[in-house]
Amino acid sequence: KNEVEQSPQNLTAQEGEFITINCSYSVGISALHWLQQHPGGGIVSLFMLSSGKKKHGRLIATINIQEKHSSLHITASHPRDSAVYICAVMQNRDDKIIFGKGTRLHILP
Amino acid sequence: DVKVTQSSRYLVKRTGEKVFLECVQDMDHENMFWYRQDPGLGLRLIYFSYDVKMKEKGDIPEGYSVSREKKERFSLILESASTNQTSMYLCASRVGQDYGYTFGSGTRLTVV
Repeated sequence: KNEVEQSPQNLTAQEGEFITINCSYSVGISALHWLQQHPGGGIVSLFMLSSGKKKHGRLIATINIQEKHSSLHITASHPRDSAVYICAVMQNRDDKIIFGKGTRLHILP
Repeated sequence: DVKVTQSSRYLVKRTGEKVFLECVQDMDHENMFWYRQDPGLGLRLIYFSYDVKMKEKGDIPEGYSVSREKKERFSLILESASTNQTSMYLCASRVGQDYGYTFGSGTRLTVV
């Protein structure tokens, strides 16, 4: 079993839809990253969370430490949001980062 | 904004060649990391460094070495490139523990 599981693996939606991507993990963590990788391969860190909720533009990330679960939401989705979204957790026992396999999002115009 | 710059975006090398992948960050970050990314396997840690001249093996160090002679530069070296090292390579850095990561744009290496 992977220590970081993302769902869904692939998601296709229409422009304007509300998008939710989920991340569950089984290890103790000090923080969690949501990353965005565009087709060219470059990765951008969207959020780093250790509790609660963060918002940046149309993106919202939440984390529930007790349930070991985080969600990334995109409101009013747009084709330019099409990318792979990766959840990554920073383990607190050895400071290593574990990545999920990513969620491939495709927003249709 | 912190920048992490990887010297090449795309690279094609021949089997057996010695390959250098360079990563430079401009914000005095202590920690630097090299990952490779493969379909179905996600991102895996190759090597990391917490300080100048310091290096630690990650999860998949075989076939690789690293060099950190200066704080801002972390080089990944493939001593004798093989086809199974064809991959996307990502460099990352951070100030230190408890801080977020900044990623480079990646180098897509093809070994033929």
